[in-house]
Amino acid sequence: QQQVKQSPQSLIVQKGGISIINCAYENTAFDYFPWYQQFPGKGPALLIAIRPDVSEKKEGRFTISFNKSAKQFSLHIMDSQPGDSATYFCAASYEGAQKLVFGQGTRLTINP
Amino acid sequence: SAVISQKPSRDICQRGTSLTIQCQVDSQVTMMFWYRQQPGQSLTLIATANQGSEATYESGFVIDKFPISRPNLTFSTLTVSNMSPEDSSIYLCSVSGTGNQPQHFGDGTRLSIL
Repeated sequence: QQQVKQSPQSLIVQKGGISIINCAYENTAFDYFPWYQQFPGKGPALLIAIRPDVSEKKEGRFTISFNKSAKQFSLHIMDSQPGDSATYFCAASYEGAQKLVFGQGTRLTINP
Repeated sequence: SAVISQKPSRDICQRGTSLTIQCQVDSQVTMMFWYRQQPGQSLTLIATANQGSEATYESGFVIDKFPISRPNLTFSTLTVSNMSPEDSSIYLCSVSGTGNQPQHFGDGTRLSIL
């Protein structure tokens, strides 16, 4: 009930391509879905987040697509750049933004 | 967003000892949380640090092993007690303004137990 499943575990994309990371959840009480970016030696940094009343949210090159009926959401990184190489975590929570449950993480590598 | 400072940034400790990690925020925040990130893995919530009262622990984490203090709205500590090699992890502090605001993380404390 509390799990968030993330795929793929690792992803290699060419510079300029689209990176797509997927997450699925089970608990229908989740009402907040953030994505975090983590560089080695640093804490996770909030990238973008969505609530289930919208199906898509875009901020610059980053877009979250949300499918409430399928209980899935995904992160799309357009025009991927080498500086985007990092580990990405999806997460979900209820009770507002408290008690985040994280996915397993995706190590993204953008080849120049 | 708030600036979050964690000390120490890393440490190497002996088995059986205890270490206290500090989390300092540059502004008052409502919520403070402690997470564990084992090497190469995801983040797991340890507890919510409540100002002026006992922390709320998640399943699998107990106060005797991970005592937490939060004396005010800008500071919290997490102690890892009676450490064993299995406690080698990154310990992260996060904060949010209210229950509806996003969480922001410090850079963590990298702990190795010999």
